[in-house]
Amino acid sequence: KQEVTQIPAALSVPEGENLVLNCSFTDSAIYNLQWFRQDPGKGLTSLLLIQSSQREQTSGRLNASLDKSSGRSTLYIAASQPGDSATYLCAPRGGGATNKLIFGTGTLLAVQP
Amino acid sequence: NAGVTQTPKFQVLKTGQSMTLQCAQDMNHEYMSWYRQDPGMGLRLIHYSVGAGITDQGEVPNGYNVSRSTTEDFPLRLLSAAPSQTSVYFCASSSLGLAGTGELFFGEGSRLTVL
Repeated sequence: KQEVTQIPAALSVPEGENLVLNCSFTDSAIYNLQWFRQDPGKGLTSLLLIQSSQREQTSGRLNASLDKSSGRSTLYIAASQPGDSATYLCAPRGGGATNKLIFGTGTLLAVQP
Repeated sequence: NAGVTQTPKFQVLKTGQSMTLQCAQDMNHEYMSWYRQDPGMGLRLIHYSVGAGITDQGEVPNGYNVSRSTTEDFPLRLLSAAPSQTSVYFCASSSLGLAGTGELFFGEGSRLTVL
């Protein structure tokens, strides 16, 4: 059974800092891994998708890496802004016929102006 | 650009009542799923489907039924609502295999309160 852990659970940083969010998962036989952002009371917005054959993906100030063999992914946010404040969730997708996504409990990020 | 559409957005039920949460997607996705989100518990998978006529249980299926008669629709049924089913429910869909990237798209959520 896939288990996903995100560390830290909460993080507060001053504006402008670079930061790293960590995601670890127990079953390395994944199809892909997705990072999402969720604002309070809202739905989930997809940030980055990394296929199992890829090592990283970049979008603007965001960079996500994947080390499938060790069951780890990181989300790097450069030059953080108050608008980045949200909960960040990672979700590896199973590689078999079931193709389920299992979520971590997320990292709550607060960027102080 | 409809994407994934959930209705209703808000619902209040009494214990024992039944209801159906609707989910529709217009992206021709094979995969559809339902999650519930509770404080401190994160998102938990209720049921999912990999195509019309095919459904399977997720992590927390008890108290919920699903069916998939078309590619577009994946309704979630609560047969006899309980206060423990008070939650925010999200529907999500994606392509499978070589048909696309497998990126998961979410609806805006349905907030259900059971009194």
